Amino acid sequence: KAGVTQTPRYLIKTRGQQVTLSCSPISGHRSVSWYQQTPGQGLQFLFEYFSETQRNKGNFPGRFSGRQFSNSRSEMNVSTLELGDSALYLCASSLITGPGGELFFGEGSRLTVL
Amino acid sequence: AQTVTQSQPEMSVQEAETVTLSCTYDTSESDYYLFWYKQPPSRQMILVIRQEAYKQQNATENRFSVNFQKAAKSFSLKISDSQLGDAAMYFCASVNYGGSQGNLIFGKGTKLSVKP
Repeated sequence: KAGVTQTPRYLIKTRGQQVTLSCSPISGHRSVSWYQQTPGQGLQFLFEYFSETQRNKGNFPGRFSGRQFSNSRSEMNVSTLELGDSALYLCASSLITGPGGELFFGEGSRLTVL
Repeated sequence: AQTVTQSQPEMSVQEAETVTLSCTYDTSESDYYLFWYKQPPSRQMILVIRQEAYKQQNATENRFSVNFQKAAKSFSLKISDSQLGDAAMYFCASVNYGGSQGNLIFGKGTKLSVKP
């Protein structure tokens, strides 16, 4: 069974640009969550989607947005990039919707903003 | 607000020995889940062990076990017979029972090195 796939794995952008990251969950998983990982702030929750609906959103500015498609694939977008957006962006999928279930993570998309 | 604190940024253990990673948390809820996730260098984060707060018995998964002290809000991870493959970042995380699964609150992590 294929794991969570994130693309691209690495990317470099300049300030002011925008970026779109993609996540394909494990087949059958309908819940997808996104996290930002930085050395200073650690892992911070961005948003969670289930059946194309955003269920939760973390404390990030409106420049961060996401969506989920009918096949459960998800994308996140960051507009007007800032230097502080440089981070590893992790996507995780899960089979069940209630708390306590295991999250399956992708390898992440490492974004560098110059 | 929920918080999770890992007070040891780095730890080191000799191969085959035992190491304990510390985690404390704060929540006003009585029902919640606690997790330890492992993130090897340049690889996916994976679940190591999970504890439900209403269960008094400490969770165990092979060489990994936890010491869950609900009153003290402490959730430490013990790794027995440490192996080179255990070298990784370890994250403690929590989610309230009424919360959504994907919204875990993570600690800052502990980097574990294993010496041969």
